[in-house]
Amino acid sequence: EAGVAQSPRYKIIEKRQSVAFWCNPISGHATLYWYQQILGQGPKLLIQFQNNGVVDDSQLPKDRFSAERLKGVDSTLKIQPAKLEDSAVYLCASSRDRDEQYFGPGTRLTVT
Amino acid sequence: EDQVTQSPEALRLQEGESSSLNCSYTVSGLRGLFWYRQDPGKGPEFLFTLYSAGEEKEKERLKATLTKKESFLHITAPKPEDSATYLCAVTLGDSWGKLQFGAGTQVVVTP
Repeated sequence: EAGVAQSPRYKIIEKRQSVAFWCNPISGHATLYWYQQILGQGPKLLIQFQNNGVVDDSQLPKDRFSAERLKGVDSTLKIQPAKLEDSAVYLCASSRDRDEQYFGPGTRLTVT
Repeated sequence: EDQVTQSPEALRLQEGESSSLNCSYTVSGLRGLFWYRQDPGKGPEFLFTLYSAGEEKEKERLKATLTKKESFLHITAPKPEDSATYLCAVTLGDSWGKLQFGAGTQVVVTP
């Protein structure tokens, strides 16, 4: 079974630029999550999708972050404009039953 | 405020030297407690889920236990390949699926 795929793996941008990350979950997994992991910390949930719908986006900075999940499969997370404090690893995860979550390799974002 | 605290922050072990990692939580309405392993440059890898006090799960040299206030991850006779950061997370009954992570324990096992 293929795992969660993410791209790009690394991205360097200047502050105030925009960036987008892509995630393809494990086949058949209805729930998809985006997490932000700052160096030395545990991941923090940004947004949770159940199929096409948003279940929880309470910790998503909506003035600059947006996310969508097309046709209940792939998802994109966008930051516009980026700030220095957005430098982190962005992790995508998926689950079949909202308990065991399986994570992708992450995208390391550096904002200069 | 709901909190998940892991200790120690870092642990250095000799190969074969057993030890335990602690995850304490101050949350109400715990649904489940999760352990993940994270290698440098990779996403967290699922290890265990525990749902009720007294529950135990094992996988190779790892054993996870749960009480009403904390969980322990026991590493028995560790090998260098057990070196990783071990993350603990909880989900609450009213926010099913929303993992709240601790900061992790970085474990280094030397030959």
